Amino acid sequence: GAGVSQSPSNKVTEKGKDVELRCDPISGHTALYWYRQSLGQGLEFLIYFQGNSAPDKSGLPSDRFSAERTGGSVSTLTIQRTQQEDSAVYLCASSLVAVNTGELFFGEGSRLTVL
Amino acid sequence: AQSVAQPEDQVNVAEGNPLTVKCTYSVSGNPYLFWYVQYPNRGLQFLLKYITGDNLVKGSYGFEAEFNKSQTSFHLKKPSALVSDSALYFCAVRDYGNNRLAFGKGNQVVVIP
Repeated sequence: GAGVSQSPSNKVTEKGKDVELRCDPISGHTALYWYRQSLGQGLEFLIYFQGNSAPDKSGLPSDRFSAERTGGSVSTLTIQRTQQEDSAVYLCASSLVAVNTGELFFGEGSRLTVL
Repeated sequence: AQSVAQPEDQVNVAEGNPLTVKCTYSVSGNPYLFWYVQYPNRGLQFLLKYITGDNLVKGSYGFEAEFNKSQTSFHLKKPSALVSDSALYFCAVRDYGNNRLAFGKGNQVVVIP
């Protein structure tokens, strides 16, 4: 596609359920990032992929969070046993190479609400 | 770690007046600085960046930013604000040693007709 695509755009779930969020980056972009945007908290880095490898997953808040990337393309962020504090907008971004002097291209995000 | 600070939560400006959104940074080494804008229910869009060279950087939609090394600032400016500039603005810095951007908390800009 022309841009970074994320699905679902909105997800409402009950506490304790598992959720999967999907990101389809721009074709040919080797670097992929997940950020979390909470009200008043700015953007919180979660994980970075270079190809299918995740050299930096230091931002994942707990072991309930995991992510994978396959074929150097689509990535899935999985949150197990969701908690109310997981409610946020999850943003995916991609770039041609790992960010150096270039820019990130962001998707429109997946808004997660945990009841 | 590298970081940026955006001291104001919200900036209100009348349409046609100059707009300034403040950002200060803390880095070791040369800073790579960025501004992004987020319109309602949209992803972030790149506005401009400073890597090296002229301290005044021009970007999209008539925005510019001035890099000031002595004040460790990278304020975003627009000479004449439009109502359509109402959005959330994020300053970011490249995090050395990690291939990622560290973002500020964002500033809500409200342009009043």
